[in-house]
Amino acid sequence: QSALTQPASVSGSPGQSITISCTGTSSDVGGYNYVSWYQQHPGKAPKFMIYDVSKRPSGVSNRFSGSKSGNTASLTISGLQAEDEADYYCSSYTNSSTLVFGGGTKLTVL
Amino acid sequence: QVQLQESGPGLVKPSETLSLTCAVSGYSISSGYYWGWIRQPPGKGLEWIGSIYHSGNTYYTPSLKNRVTISVDTSKNQFSLKLSSVTAADTAVYYCARHPNIVVAGTYWFDPWGQGTLVTVSS
Repeated sequence: QSALTQPASVSGSPGQSITISCTGTSSDVGGYNYVSWYQQHPGKAPKFMIYDVSKRPSGVSNRFSGSKSGNTASLTISGLQAEDEADYYCSSYTNSSTLVFGGGTKLTVL
Repeated sequence: QVQLQESGPGLVKPSETLSLTCAVSGYSISSGYYWGWIRQPPGKGLEWIGSIYHSGNTYYTPSLKNRVTISVDTSKNQFSLKLSSVTAADTAVYYCARHPNIVVAGTYWFDPWGQGTLVTVSS
């Protein structure tokens, strides 16, 4: 199975909104609403931010939102803050009953 | 509060077997959920290795399937990873994490995660 495709980097200024895409196939992202997103700060373990495409676990800011269209899922962060600077990873369930992650996107807050 | 803690050797020689254990506290492995291993080579992205249910049912990523064994010890409330014939490409931070039985529960996420342990493959 191939890793899901994410842009290597995105950037935005404080207060702006950014969107990170996650492209797969009909065998993973497009076939199921089982997409989750993780935030990882340097030297730390990942933290899950979005699950089942668009649901937010308790404690995660409502500035984080998720969506999906066809084989592409997206994570949007609104009202960018300095603390949002981190690496972000998407992950999906696949039709082989396996799990796959995206290559990761480095978010820089300018 | 559920907590996971990885442990094992930080240095493994090429061609040998990497062995790690993930101790779970605050939750009984036998109560449900899948328990997974994920790795991250230095400066690179996350890679799911495989997951195990308390019954022993396992799923592995195809690229590592021939070298990976994940097992569970419910009496010690822990699960383990063995990766054979390691090379430098297996050098990574290895994380353990919990996820639901996705199709049965109708939901997918990894939480919580262990802090991770760096394993270096070198002679």
